[in-house]
Amino acid sequence: GAGVSQSPSNKVTEKGKDVELRCDPISGHTALYWYRQSLGQGLEFLIYFQGNSAPDKSGLPSDRFSAERTGGSVSTLTIQRTQQEDSAVYLCASSLGGTRATFYNEQFFGPGTRLTVL
Amino acid sequence: AQSVSQHNHHVILSEAASLELGCNYSYGGTVNLFWYVQYPGQHLQLLLKYFSGDPLVKGIKGFEAEFIKSKFSFNLRKPSVQWSDTAEYFCAVYAGNNRKLIWGLGTSLAVNP
Repeated sequence: GAGVSQSPSNKVTEKGKDVELRCDPISGHTALYWYRQSLGQGLEFLIYFQGNSAPDKSGLPSDRFSAERTGGSVSTLTIQRTQQEDSAVYLCASSLGGTRATFYNEQFFGPGTRLTVL
Repeated sequence: AQSVSQHNHHVILSEAASLELGCNYSYGGTVNLFWYVQYPGQHLQLLLKYFSGDPLVKGIKGFEAEFIKSKFSFNLRKPSVQWSDTAEYFCAVYAGNNRKLIWGLGTSLAVNP
């Protein structure tokens, strides 16, 4: 596609339920990032995928959060046993990859998924 | 820990006023600096970036930013704002040993026509 797409755009769930958020990066972008943006907060890094390398999971806030990227393209962020503090906008971004130069590249963001946990 | 500080959380200006948004970071080594913008209802997008060379960088829509290493700052400027500049502005810093962008909390700019 022309840009990064995310689905769903909005998700309302009950506390304790699991949710899956999907990201379709720009074709050809080997780097993919997940961020969380809570009300009044900046972007919180969650996880980063680069090609076939092991993902950088250092930003995941708890073991309830996990993400995978299949075939080097689509990524799914899963939140198990959701809590009210998980309510936020979850942003996905992709960029041209590389090695240490990856973070130099412009990141292209999707529209985000607004998650509300009741 | 590395951090990025944006001093102004909410800024309200009239059209044609000059703009300067502050961004300071805490890291003593080599950095790469970015300003991203999010217009209402739109995605985050890159406004400008600094990697090396001329510390005064120019971006889209008449924006510019100056990297002052001694002050650990990368302030965003525009001489004359327009109503269409109403948006959320984020400063981000890549510090080479961290392997991830560190983001500021953002500054909400409202430009009154």
